[in-house]
Amino acid sequence: QVQLVQSGAEVKKPGASVKVSCKASGYTFTSYYMHWVRQAPGQGLEWMGIINPSGGSTSYAQKFQGRVTMTRDTSTSTVYMELSSLRSEDTAVYYCAREDQGSSLGYWGQGTLVTVSS
Amino acid sequence: EIVLTQSPGTLSLSPGERATLSCRASQSVSSSYLAWYQQKPGQAPRLLIYGASSRATGIPDRFSGSGSGTDFTLTISRLEPEDFAVYYCQQYGSSLTLTFGGGTKVEIK
Repeated sequence: QVQLVQSGAEVKKPGASVKVSCKASGYTFTSYYMHWVRQAPGQGLEWMGIINPSGGSTSYAQKFQGRVTMTRDTSTSTVYMELSSLRSEDTAVYYCAREDQGSSLGYWGQGTLVTVSS
Repeated sequence: EIVLTQSPGTLSLSPGERATLSCRASQSVSSSYLAWYQQKPGQAPRLLIYGASSRATGIPDRFSGSGSGTDFTLTISRLEPEDFAVYYCQQYGSSLTLTFGGGTKVEIK
């Protein structure tokens, strides 16, 4: 069965960077795009960007351009999301999600809480 | 950028009642790329509907989606206790961009 397992919670200081991992299993890793979505406490879902695990190409939401980098490691079927210059507003749960039929997000990781606090 | 506006913000209903949730787009959206999700507290979202009207695997038939152009609807025919949650619509646009609506909370009246 498809599984997306994310790395554990992080606490970072303002100005630092965080790198969250998402290990995929149960399907051919390079056959499906992967998205990153975040959710601030009590807020809605916010799309951050997409990576093609096959070639590594990416597309980021304009809001995060210049601060986010998505990469992948095909040898371990893992995608990564790195967010730099963290500020308190970046405190959120970060999800990876696999693209599915109709470009919907059919499978989600369990989420990784990133807390930014001095 | 396409903006998705969901209404109402909160829907207060009793189990067994019908729920009708709206998602309006700021410009026309391809029905092929409109999805709905359910999210419960402390959980990741779960895909309910893709392609505006197709149920995802394992989703009960009390959930249905409809609409086209700029107006889309998620209907829950008879609310079960486990259906009280927050629901989001999502569209997939050009240039590999994706947008979510602000969400509708369905709460117990």
